[in-house]
Amino acid sequence: AQSVTQLDSHVSVSEGTPVLLRCNYSSSYSPSLFWYVQHPNKGLQLLLKYTSAATLVKGINGFEAEFKKSETSFHLTKPSAHMSDAAEYFCVGFLTGTASKLTFGTGTRLQVTL
Amino acid sequence: DTGVSQNPRHKITKRGQNVTFRCDPISEHNRLYWYRQTLGQGPEFLTYFQNEAQLEKSRLLSDRFSAERPKGSFSTLEIQRTEQGDSAMYLCASSLVSGAITEAFFGQGTRLTVV
Repeated sequence: AQSVTQLDSHVSVSEGTPVLLRCNYSSSYSPSLFWYVQHPNKGLQLLLKYTSAATLVKGINGFEAEFKKSETSFHLTKPSAHMSDAAEYFCVGFLTGTASKLTFGTGTRLQVTL
Repeated sequence: DTGVSQNPRHKITKRGQNVTFRCDPISEHNRLYWYRQTLGQGPEFLTYFQNEAQLEKSRLLSDRFSAERPKGSFSTLEIQRTEQGDSAMYLCASSLVSGAITEAFFGQGTRLTVV
């Protein structure tokens, strides 16, 4: 079955330390993958996208993600967390050949502490 | 064009009443999606349109739910005989799907509370 799995429901980091949010996918096709961020009471904002070009994708606010086909992963990283990064993060994909719908992971809540 | 617009932003209704939400996508986008998000959960797919054609509906979408996209522009989502379990954030997104796949842009959502 086509699916997106976020391995951690909650991640807590100290400000200034690296962030790693993990995402794995299952797809029979070459997927298009995205990371979205949702701040409290805000809409979903695109952080970055992978659409079969470069496997290392840079996004906004210093985030980046690497597509690894051999590991079926698309983990999100940031070298140094900022308090404003605290939010819910969703790994999302078009997993079928027709790009019929976006499939969401269950989300990872990132907490950033002083 | 400032993005995907959803109206109303908030709706409180009594159980059993009908409600209708509207979504205005980005003007050149041919795909329009509806999702539902409950507190602490990720968005769940409801339905999507390619232009005016509704191509897929989730099993989550009971007979009380109907969506339209006349003329392939704005879309409406109607819920009839609302139930407390319908309380959620209803999200609309649009994208341009042609040869290359592009990302979906989301609206701010309509928060429905059924009392």
